[in-house]
Amino acid sequence: DARVTQTPRHKVTEMGQEVTMRCQPILGHNTVFWYRQTMMQGLELLAYFRNRAPLDDSGMPKDRFSAEMPDATLATLKIQPSEPRDSAVYFCASGSGLIREDTIYFGEGSWLTVV
Amino acid sequence: SQQGEEDPQALSIQEGENATMNCSYKTSINNLQWYRQNSGRGLVHLILIRSNEREKHSGRLRVTLDTSKKSSSLLITASRAADTASYFCATDGRAAGNKLTFGGGTRVLVKP
Repeated sequence: DARVTQTPRHKVTEMGQEVTMRCQPILGHNTVFWYRQTMMQGLELLAYFRNRAPLDDSGMPKDRFSAEMPDATLATLKIQPSEPRDSAVYFCASGSGLIREDTIYFGEGSWLTVV
Repeated sequence: SQQGEEDPQALSIQEGENATMNCSYKTSINNLQWYRQNSGRGLVHLILIRSNEREKHSGRLRVTLDTSKKSSSLLITASRAADTASYFCATDGRAAGNKLTFGGGTRVLVKP
């Protein structure tokens, strides 16, 4: 089964440390999304890419977060420095076409705890 | 900000009963999707309904869309314990920059 793969699945880190989360989208998909899920805010779109180009990262705190796609098989989300309020589940999702015509497929998430 | 808002926030039913949840949204959409999330897992797409459609079926799922009221409903018929999950509506549209935005979800518990 084709699926979105995320690493790490779980991460506990100390405040101030750098955290890098990785995502391998489904082969052939040209859109990639990063979402953050918390109890208080629900699912928030942080960034999305089409054909590796960032289309929108307005939902992402720019001072500490960065998202990139070094190549078509890898997307990264980096937090530097991390803070306790960044504790959340971070989901990567990929899609094969235009958002308005297509569904997206989620990975299992990276569960981040910053202490 | 969330475009879609689900109602109720939580629902508890007996196996075999139907479960209905609603989603309201604020601005024009291209389509509306429903996703399911099992505890500790990622979201899984269930069904997509386009803005020019009024009703859609998929197995035990029935989705309606009323664009005049900016609302949608998801009905799960003959529920099973395995349907226990959180259900999210997701919308995209010009106001959201064609981004897919999710509501807060409805937590459904199906008791055996």
